[in-house]
Amino acid sequence: KAGVTQTPRYLIKTRGQQVTLSCSPISGHRSVSWYQQTPGQGLQFLFEYFSETQRNKGNFPGRFSGRQFSNSRSEMNVSTLELGDSALYLCASSLALPPTGELFFGEGSRLTVL
Amino acid sequence: GDSVTQMEGPVTLSEEAFLTINCTYTATGYPSLFWYVQYPGEGLQLLLKATKADDKGSNKGFEATYRKETTSFHLEKGSVQVSDSAVYFCALSESANSKLTFGKGITLSVRP
Repeated sequence: KAGVTQTPRYLIKTRGQQVTLSCSPISGHRSVSWYQQTPGQGLQFLFEYFSETQRNKGNFPGRFSGRQFSNSRSEMNVSTLELGDSALYLCASSLALPPTGELFFGEGSRLTVL
Repeated sequence: GDSVTQMEGPVTLSEEAFLTINCTYTATGYPSLFWYVQYPGEGLQLLLKATKADDKGSNKGFEATYRKETTSFHLEKGSVQVSDSAVYFCALSESANSKLTFGKGITLSVRP
């Protein structure tokens, strides 16, 4: 059974640009969550989608957005990139609601902003 | 708001040593508690969980008991192996909510 797949794995952008990250959940999983991992702040929740609807959102500025498609694949977008957006962005999927926190994580997309 | 506090790291142990990683939490309700592990070059994996007070989660020789009176969920293993070297995260989620609140994580290195 394939795991959670994130693309691209690595990318480099410059300040002011925008970036789109993609996540394909485990087959049959309908909930997708996104987390930002940095050395200073650790793992922080960005948002969660279920059946194309955003169910929950973390404390990030509006530059961070996401969406989920009918096949449960999800994308997140960061506009007007800042140096502080450099991080590992992790996507996680779970089977259903309530998911009881059993999230299955991808290996992440490592974003470097120069 | 919810928060999770883990002991400061990193931790270095010799193979077969006893491991304890402390974790305490603050939550408004009755959360579920988790330990996730991140091996080098891999994504986060669920190690064990407990969903109510006095529950004990266990997996791969690791154990943790949900202590409501001390708001703790300490991770223990009687005899660590080199293959246990990884970053360990304590986390919680409130009921009916998949959002996880993570601790800072602690790096464990086990030397032969």
